[in-house]
Amino acid sequence: QVQLVESGGGLVKPGGSLRLSCAASGFIFSDYYMSWIRQAPGKGLEWVSYISSSGNTIYYADSVKGRFTISRDNAKNSLYLQMNSLRAEDTAVYYCARKGRAWWYFDLWGRGTLVTVSS
Amino acid sequence: QTVVTQEPSFSVSPGGTVTLTCGLSSGPVSTSYYPSWYQQTPGQAPRTLIYTTNTRSSGVPDRFSGSILGNKAALTITGAQADDESDYYCVLYMGSGISVFGGGTKLTVL
Repeated sequence: QVQLVESGGGLVKPGGSLRLSCAASGFIFSDYYMSWIRQAPGKGLEWVSYISSSGNTIYYADSVKGRFTISRDNAKNSLYLQMNSLRAEDTAVYYCARKGRAWWYFDLWGRGTLVTVSS
Repeated sequence: QTVVTQEPSFSVSPGGTVTLTCGLSSGPVSTSYYPSWYQQTPGQAPRTLIYTTNTRSSGVPDRFSGSILGNKAALTITGAQADDESDYYCVLYMGSGISVFGGGTKLTVL
């Protein structure tokens, strides 16, 4: 069925790195922009990054620019988020989401993966 | 710094009608911001309710509706039910590939 499944979360020390993955299935992955969205414990949702269907166009929130890198492998139907120089405030559940085909909204969500940055 | 504003909390009686709003610190919200709305219950992923201001996502009951009211985007729930008790988030598209979430509204049905 149509779904997104995140993986790669875990506990990492401040200043460390982590790579998240999102496996897509049930739809033509290469037709869609994709995004990462996060939610700190007990807090609201925060958009993190978009990547175009081809991977040629990328956008980041200011809070992660220069530290996080979004990428995709359309042959593997997978989305990635490389997170470097992690800080305590990056602790959150990270959701993979699909951007609507024609409009700027999120039409499909994964269940999320928890990243904890702590010493 | 663009801030998208939502009421922190709201309550509604079962069967009642409630309107949640989504504003912008820098000015009025219009359809050009492609307002969208999401419902989230604790421990769950968000669920898409409304996009492009007033289009219901597949499977969303018609008691959920979206609009522009005055200078804000709005989500109206008509005939609230107990399982509508959730957090509701709006998102506005700012252009140049930037989307901003509101802080969310915690809706209580009692």
